[in-house]
Amino acid sequence: QVQLQESGPGLVKPSQTLSLTCTVSGGSFSSGGYYWNWIRHHPGKGLEWIGYIYFRGSAYYNPSLKSRVTISMDTSGSQFSLRLSSVTAADTAVYFCARSRSGAMFYYYGVDVWGQGTTVVVSS
Amino acid sequence: QSVLTQPPSMSGAPGQTVTISCTGSSSNIGAGYAVHWYQRLPGTAPKLLIYGNTNRPSGVPGRFSASKSGTSASLAITGLQAEDEADYYCQSYDGSLSSWLFGGGTKLTVL
Repeated sequence: QVQLQESGPGLVKPSQTLSLTCTVSGGSFSSGGYYWNWIRHHPGKGLEWIGYIYFRGSAYYNPSLKSRVTISMDTSGSQFSLRLSSVTAADTAVYFCARSRSGAMFYYYGVDVWGQGTTVVVSS
Repeated sequence: QSVLTQPPSMSGAPGQTVTISCTGSSSNIGAGYAVHWYQRLPGTAPKLLIYGNTNRPSGVPGRFSASKSGTSASLAITGLQAEDEADYYCQSYDGSLSSWLFGGGTKLTVL
């Protein structure tokens, strides 16, 4: 079964760029059928969808973060990445990579596979 | 502030039934987009509890059920158990924002 694992720095300075990678094992997103998401959880608040990428390389972002976010995939089909620029303390959160179904009825299915999450703190 | 509104906290005694609400608008739940529910135990990743408004993934106990009506949805947990103490989140898609939305989460305490 598919497993996801986030990796990256746990501490980022304000105004810098946060970079995280999600490694996919037990399957490959280059076979299609799924969106590969980044979702975060702010301390004491709810979950926030950041964006997702499809295996063909198309990416879709939360409008509130769109100007600062880039999600990309590597050519090996085993990793996808998140870059969030100009971070502030408000970007401190647990970041999850996760999988959801794609297709015309994508909204009918939830996020069925999650990574364990990685904590990122924005502080000088 | 989340566009999907949930009560911040709820509680119930073992064996009781609790119902968690999720209120949206005409551009998300009311537009016909499905509602999903997640359970998050402390220090763990969210777990898909309900998808497509009412469907339980394999392995989710039948004590968990959900419904949807108009611009709202609800998650019911019957026969409450100590292990159900967790945070619960609803999710839906917003057609106006072209974005997934999550509720602010409900912290369930089992007394």
